[in-house]
Amino acid sequence: NAGVTQTPKFQVLKTGQSMTLQCAQDMNHNSMYWYRQDPGMGLRLIYYSASEGTTDKGEVPNGYNVSRLNKREFSLRLESAAPSQTSVYFCASKGLAGVGPYEQYFGPGTRLTVT
Amino acid sequence: GQQLNQSPQSMFIQEGEDVSMNCTSSSIFNTWLWYKQDPGEGPVLLIALYKAGELTSNGRLTAQFGITRKDSFLNISASIPSDVGIYFCAGPITGANSKLTFGKGITLSVRP
Repeated sequence: NAGVTQTPKFQVLKTGQSMTLQCAQDMNHNSMYWYRQDPGMGLRLIYYSASEGTTDKGEVPNGYNVSRLNKREFSLRLESAAPSQTSVYFCASKGLAGVGPYEQYFGPGTRLTVT
Repeated sequence: GQQLNQSPQSMFIQEGEDVSMNCTSSSIFNTWLWYKQDPGEGPVLLIALYKAGELTSNGRLTAQFGITRKDSFLNISASIPSDVGIYFCAGPITGANSKLTFGKGITLSVRP
């Protein structure tokens, strides 16, 4: 099992460019999440998908869109990148209620720089 | 909101020492999770606690779910250089069990 995978690992964008961050999980988890991590700010939730077919805003959704393509894949899109979106982005997933109902499992991250 | 507080922001210890860190809140939690993030990697779940008073170990790590349900503690014994990283606590947000709230983390440095 690869767990949660993210591509790309690193990306540099110019202001105004667009890109999509990809995330996939092979644990048959229902819920998936996108976070950003900035120095001194901890992990902040951008968007999440509690189950296939649903998406909801998190704490910092502005400037982002998401697509839950299927149960395995959850992508994050930046339509017009801004320097404030320079960050490390993490995808996470979580299984059903029952065993480990709250435990989220993280991918390795995408380090994005917007110049 | 349900915030989790971790302090200090950084801790520096000597290899071989024990270290204790805590996570506190003004709200009650029914689950506490502890994650570790190695430099350049994603957070990895270390320990999950589901019952008030519960004490759980994972190798040299021991975590406790506080009796008041408003705090949790993580102890690392006989630290080694690979213990370096950021340690986060997390708990589910009431009424939104799909979501977690995270502490800001404690960066641990271990001097050889």
